[in-house]
Amino acid sequence: ELKVEQNPLFLSMQEGKNYTIYCNYSTTSDRLYWYRQDPGKSLESLFVLLSNGAVKQEGRLMASLDTKARLSTLHITAAVHDLSATYFCAVPLPGANSKLTFGKGITLSVRP
Amino acid sequence: KAGVTQTPRYLIKTRGQQVTLSCSPISGHRSVSWYQQTPGQGLQFLFEYFSETQRNKGNFPGRFSGRQFSNSRSEMNVSTLELGDSALYLCASSLAARANSYNEQFFGPGTRLTVL
Repeated sequence: ELKVEQNPLFLSMQEGKNYTIYCNYSTTSDRLYWYRQDPGKSLESLFVLLSNGAVKQEGRLMASLDTKARLSTLHITAAVHDLSATYFCAVPLPGANSKLTFGKGITLSVRP
Repeated sequence: KAGVTQTPRYLIKTRGQQVTLSCSPISGHRSVSWYQQTPGQGLQFLFEYFSETQRNKGNFPGRFSGRQFSNSRSEMNVSTLELGDSALYLCASSLAARANSYNEQFFGPGTRLTVL
């Protein structure tokens, strides 16, 4: 059974500082997705990582994938309040790419 | 291009009733997946439909069922509702020509179901 773990589950960040959050998974997969969810809202796609060593950047967020370690990191540079949300990583089941297994999500809160 | 739409957005039902939720995918997308989101269990995959056929299924009881129409619109049905079925139900659409091909999923706004 594919398991996806995210840690920490909650992170209080100070504005302007850098942080890294982690997502690891239990079985072989060369694909991983990051989503953002604001309270009461749906999931917004942030990054699609399709191969080992993939690195994607958007604004203050940078995501990378190490398929050998079964680990993805999401690095936050100079946190701002707008980044406060819950971030999910999701891994597709091999051979069934529409069947995503999600982590529990990491809730980020940026304080002044 | 219009996004994924779901109706209704909110629903209140009582135990024992049944409910039908609807999802219209992005134009041209043939795959529709359904997910349940609860505070306790998080996001869990229910099932996926592609070209009117169920292609993948999660670990949910038979009370949860779905179907897809020729225009790719999908419905999911939950019969004999239980309190634990209260959740946000999200559908996602993708091109998904092949089961193992890369396909980015685009999520709809969700239907929030409350079971009293």
